[in-house]
Amino acid sequence: GAGVSQSPSNKVTEKGKDVELRCDPISGHTALYWYRQSLGQGLEFLIYFQGNSAPDKSGLPSDRFSAERTGGSVSTLTIQRTQQEDSAVYLCASSLSQGVRGTQYFGPGTRLLVL
Amino acid sequence: KQEVTQIPAALSVPEGENLVLNCSFTDSAIYNLQWFRQDPGKGLTSLLLIQSSQREQTSGRLNASLDKSSGRSTLYIAASQPGDSATYLCAVTAQGGSEKLVFGKGTKLTVNP
Repeated sequence: GAGVSQSPSNKVTEKGKDVELRCDPISGHTALYWYRQSLGQGLEFLIYFQGNSAPDKSGLPSDRFSAERTGGSVSTLTIQRTQQEDSAVYLCASSLSQGVRGTQYFGPGTRLLVL
Repeated sequence: KQEVTQIPAALSVPEGENLVLNCSFTDSAIYNLQWFRQDPGKGLTSLLLIQSSQREQTSGRLNASLDKSSGRSTLYIAASQPGDSATYLCAVTAQGGSEKLVFGKGTKLTVNP
């Protein structure tokens, strides 16, 4: 079956512009996570969705970052007024459930470069 | 706050060697621990998942162990091959809340032919 997909795979933008990153989770997966992988920083949690609600946004680095999820499926991560430090790989993961059954499956990521 | 540390940061070995990658975590309240592989420019591939009640998991030439009380895990790779060259990431799933993954910074493995 289809895995987690993300688009675009690569995005180059100018400082100050807004960008939208998209994640299509595995069908039926209720939990969705966004992570960011920066050079030298490792993988960091950004936000978690259960259905369409986001009970944990604790990893969003600033109010320029927001995310939404519609229909319990597709999610978009929006970065407003991008800065060079936003350059990173943004990874999305989904899982069928939480707890001991909640293996997270990752998409290929979106590589964002802010010039 | 949960912190995950991986040692060493990089490792270079000749083909055929057996090797061990180490992972430690500060909070033992975890659901499970996963080892991932990441190839350059690619996403994450899950290798092994060990539930908190388990001691080890095996898949082919890979064996992962978990000692929750001491906050340690090891990934053992037998008879290494050049195709094993990648970055290996360890992550724990914290109990409660969002159950987000907390990752180590990885070990970059190079297996030389």
